[in-house]
Amino acid sequence: ETGVTQTPRHLVMGMTNKKSLKCEQHLGHNAMYWYKQSAKKPLELMFVYNFKEQTENNSVPSRFSPECPNSSHLFLHLHTLQPEDSALYLCASSQSRTDPLAYGYTFGSGTRLTVV
Amino acid sequence: DQQVKQNSPSLSVQEGRISILNCDYTNSMFDYFLWYKKYPAEGPTFLISISSIKDKNEDGRFTVFLNKSAKHLSLHIVPSQPGDSAVYFCAARFGNEKLTFGTGTRLTIIP
Repeated sequence: ETGVTQTPRHLVMGMTNKKSLKCEQHLGHNAMYWYKQSAKKPLELMFVYNFKEQTENNSVPSRFSPECPNSSHLFLHLHTLQPEDSALYLCASSQSRTDPLAYGYTFGSGTRLTVV
Repeated sequence: DQQVKQNSPSLSVQEGRISILNCDYTNSMFDYFLWYKKYPAEGPTFLISISSIKDKNEDGRFTVFLNKSAKHLSLHIVPSQPGDSAVYFCAARFGNEKLTFGTGTRLTIIP
């Protein structure tokens, strides 16, 4: 149990579908992140939320739409994706700026997304 | 421009021997470094960290060394065990900024 739960674990979707990824943490953290992991690439930061406010969007295409209704939940809404968007999508959380960050981020297990 | 680099995509080590994973960085402002371990189909989990004011941090079989002048850090695992087979990510941070990750090194421990 990592403390950060992601659902679903696996998702196959067509290019015209709309789906959402969900992330939930009950660690009392105030910052949440979406990362994308593609083969042979570094973990790519997509979005950062601090206290429910989006503080960073790393030039992510608009077909990815994040939502953070509260500090414990984070969603990634997907629509009209491309096959190259197939990847492992990881959610992470951390304390906000007051955190000594001794342990960095706590990651979820990820959602393996396949776009067909 | 990749600020954190792991130049070895893979490494194989005999069980019981020492595994050494390397990481180089370019941003001299980084002041905190972390290693994460990732099994297939799971998210990365924190392994060990080091502050830039130190040059060594040890936790059981895992030791991280930091050479600031060379902008290089390494993770030593000794003795290596089959359960250590995983992908290892190096990450770095400046102040309270976000973590910057390397591309990872896949470590395989050979029984």
